[in-house]
Amino acid sequence: AQKVTQAQTEISVVEKEDVTLDCVYETRDTTYYLFWYKQPPSGELVFLIRRNSFDEQNEISGRYSWNFQKSTSSFNFTITASQVVDSAVYFCALSEALTGTASKLTFGTGTRLQVTL
Amino acid sequence: DAGVIQSPRHEVTEMGQEVTLRCKPISGHNSLFWYRQTMMRGLELLIYFNNNVPIDDSGMPEDRFSAKMPNASFSTLKIQPSEPRDSAVYFCASGEGYTEAFFGQGTRLTVV
Repeated sequence: AQKVTQAQTEISVVEKEDVTLDCVYETRDTTYYLFWYKQPPSGELVFLIRRNSFDEQNEISGRYSWNFQKSTSSFNFTITASQVVDSAVYFCALSEALTGTASKLTFGTGTRLQVTL
Repeated sequence: DAGVIQSPRHEVTEMGQEVTLRCKPISGHNSLFWYRQTMMRGLELLIYFNNNVPIDDSGMPEDRFSAKMPNASFSTLKIQPSEPRDSAVYFCASGEGYTEAFFGQGTRLTVV
């Protein structure tokens, strides 16, 4: 069975600091998808990124970057120069291709990020 | 598109009452998912539909929970009778093929 582990329950940083959120996953499937979602205090789930298991290229989107390493089953998320608006709970999620959809998600427990001035 | 639309946004009901949560997926999406978020269990999948057909309902906690998708643009999640432990945020999401899931705003259910 698949599993996603986010060992960091809560992280507090001061604005402009860089912060990395860790995600480790387990799956027996050879084809799978990894995701990060953001849940701000308003409660909605906001999609950030999807990565399939055959694409290990790191990705950068503005202040956000993601490091996918199959060798360590990790998909870490870094926010550079954090801002107060980044304060939220961040979820890592996994979906196995055998399910026929990328939206049947197994979520990690989430990491609460608090950015202060 | 307006995204995934859920109603109501908040629901407070008394134990034993029937509760119906509603979802309108994004037009053109062929998969619909119901997730529940609680402090104790986090985000968990309850059931999902593909082309309006229930594919996996193994996450539905008890027979008190039921879900339907009568057409491609509407789904309901019903709890009857409701219990205090059903209090949670219920999310509906839709997707197409291997694209990412798009989530609704959620329904915060409180059973007193």
